[in-house]
Amino acid sequence: NAGVTQTPKFQVLKTGQSMTLQCAQDMNHEYMSWYRQDPGMGLRLIHYSVGAGITDQGEVPNGYNVSRSTTEDFPLRLLSAAPSQTSVYFCASSGAASAFFGQGTRLTVV
Amino acid sequence: DAKTTQPNSMESNEEEPVHLPCNHSTISGTDYIHWYRQLPSQGPEYVIHGLTSNVNNRMASLAIAEDRKSSTLILHRATLRDAAVYYCSRQTGANNLFFGTGTRLTVIP
Repeated sequence: NAGVTQTPKFQVLKTGQSMTLQCAQDMNHEYMSWYRQDPGMGLRLIHYSVGAGITDQGEVPNGYNVSRSTTEDFPLRLLSAAPSQTSVYFCASSGAASAFFGQGTRLTVV
Repeated sequence: DAKTTQPNSMESNEEEPVHLPCNHSTISGTDYIHWYRQLPSQGPEYVIHGLTSNVNNRMASLAIAEDRKSSTLILHRATLRDAAVYYCSRQTGANNLFFGTGTRLTVIP
């Protein structure tokens, strides 16, 4: 049972670089989301998608882009990384009763 | 979520009950209350959820105040494996989760 798979697990970027955090789920869930987790602030919603071709902004969307071309995949793109984007990123896939989270990507922007 | 508040930390002795509180100061009538827990270096894991009535499952119980402004996660017999950060959250009609800042539970052997 793979559930939600995130890659990479760790990443170091230089300021201004771009990258894509990958997220894939095998549960056929329509709803997927991205969160960032910072010390003392819990998890904050970045972007979410209610199905292929449909995305919307969450609490902290600035600096991030998403797309949803298939039910399985929901990548998160940083176009020009900034030190303020240093964080742990979690992807989630939600069924009728609960959300399933990936293991996270620890991103450091220097 | 500034509207969902939890104590930063709590301690419990092993095999004793634990009551983890959460305040949902501006929760709407249709928002569900969810609880998740997170072990070190892992993603959050679902524990329980409810709307108005108290709920039980194999992991825990959830007590929801009549006015829904607060909830309490109850672990009936804490074990060392229950040591984690526990997050309460509200789930909106759009299926979005808005989390509190979490309570770090320490279980003392």
